[in-house]
Amino acid sequence: AQKITQTQPGMFVQEKEAVTLDCTYDTSDQSYGLFWYKQPSSGEMIFLIYQGSYDEQNATEGRYSLNFQKARKSANLVISASQLGDSAMYFCAITLKYDKVIFGPGTSLSVIP
Amino acid sequence: NAGVTQTPKFQVLKTGQSMTLQCAQDMNHNSMYWYRQDPGMGLRLIYYSASEGTTDKGEVPNGYNVSRLNKREFSLRLESAAPSQTSVYFCASSGNIPLTLNSPLHFGNGTRLTVT
Repeated sequence: AQKITQTQPGMFVQEKEAVTLDCTYDTSDQSYGLFWYKQPSSGEMIFLIYQGSYDEQNATEGRYSLNFQKARKSANLVISASQLGDSAMYFCAITLKYDKVIFGPGTSLSVIP
Repeated sequence: NAGVTQTPKFQVLKTGQSMTLQCAQDMNHNSMYWYRQDPGMGLRLIYYSASEGTTDKGEVPNGYNVSRLNKREFSLRLESAAPSQTSVYFCASSGNIPLTLNSPLHFGNGTRLTVT
């Protein structure tokens, strides 16, 4: 069965520190895309970063980077220099063949001043 | 561009009533999706449509039906609403061309549905 696991329901980080949000996935597909989304308390879903299953380099987008370990089926999000505005829910998602997209249960991140 | 538009924003139903959630996108995307979001469970895929004329079940399809009316519109119908269907519903679309999986989802603003 295809599944995304995010084992950290809630995380706290001090402002300006780095934080890693965990994501593991289970699929037998050879080709897939991994995504992270942010959902602030206002409710909208914001795309953060993408990693393809055949990409050899880890993806980076500004303060966001993705620690991709294909053999471990792991795609952790690293946020550097946390800001108060980073407080939100974070969801890991995978796009599978035929464009099926499933999400993990999410991690609630709180940034402490 | 409006992006992905969902209607209504809020709805209260009584058990057994039916309703249709509407979704339209103006980005010429092939794929469209319906999710429900419940606390602690993330977004769960109800149905999706990878192209006009096709629909597929997701993780939690029971109690729902969908129609991909044309490339722009993808509706979700609750035939006989139950309290367990109280949730926030999101429609999304994706611009993936065939055999590419790198396009992020674009989301609507959500519909908050309460079934009493």
